[in-house]
Amino acid sequence: TQLLEQSPQFLSIQEGENLTVYCNSSSVFSSLQWYRQEPGEGPVLLVTVVTGGEVKKLKRLTFQFGDARKDSSLHITAAQPGDTGLYLCAGNTGNQFYFGTGTSLTVIP
Amino acid sequence: NAGVMQNPRHLVRRRGQEARLRCSPMKGHSHVYWYRQLPEEGLKFMVYLQKENIIDESGMPKERFSAEFPKEGPSILRIQQVVRGDSAAYFCASSPGARPNYGYTFGSGTRLTVV
Repeated sequence: TQLLEQSPQFLSIQEGENLTVYCNSSSVFSSLQWYRQEPGEGPVLLVTVVTGGEVKKLKRLTFQFGDARKDSSLHITAAQPGDTGLYLCAGNTGNQFYFGTGTSLTVIP
Repeated sequence: NAGVMQNPRHLVRRRGQEARLRCSPMKGHSHVYWYRQLPEEGLKFMVYLQKENIIDESGMPKERFSAEFPKEGPSILRIQQVVRGDSAAYFCASSPGARPNYGYTFGSGTRLTVV
């Protein structure tokens, strides 16, 4: 059972463009996290959101947790080649986090 | 130790052999999680351990797979009689506690190839 669906699965954009990726579920999560993973490495935590409707900003990245705590979005402003990677959302339902399938982002210089 | 250490980074095993994957959590972290990742797929939860205890093993196959986190030493994920379908990247993560807003710190993974 796939608890978390991420879209789009693949995204290729030019440097300087804006983008939004989505993480959706029918389940309610007590918290949700976003990670970025580069090839050959483990995921690195970007942010944790806990409260429904919460918005967090990390430089050019804006994270939002849905009011019902079932979905989340990640918006990147003025994307840079260094943003390239696999973006994973993970929702907590108890003992551990369930991960989505990820959005693979490529930013072309 | 600045982070979660996993070894080996790459492991090749023939079908039927045993694979042992090791994970040393971050200093001060007593909670360890193992995940498996296949190409084009997300991370699949396998098992959650706290020192000497298995808290949740609902994602781990009942046969051939086992995990431990002894009082002293690293956590071990053990796969007996490996098959080609076990080929994947196995990631370990640690956290300082079980609260849901604690983030995980991941290791760089062990890439298991079964030939």
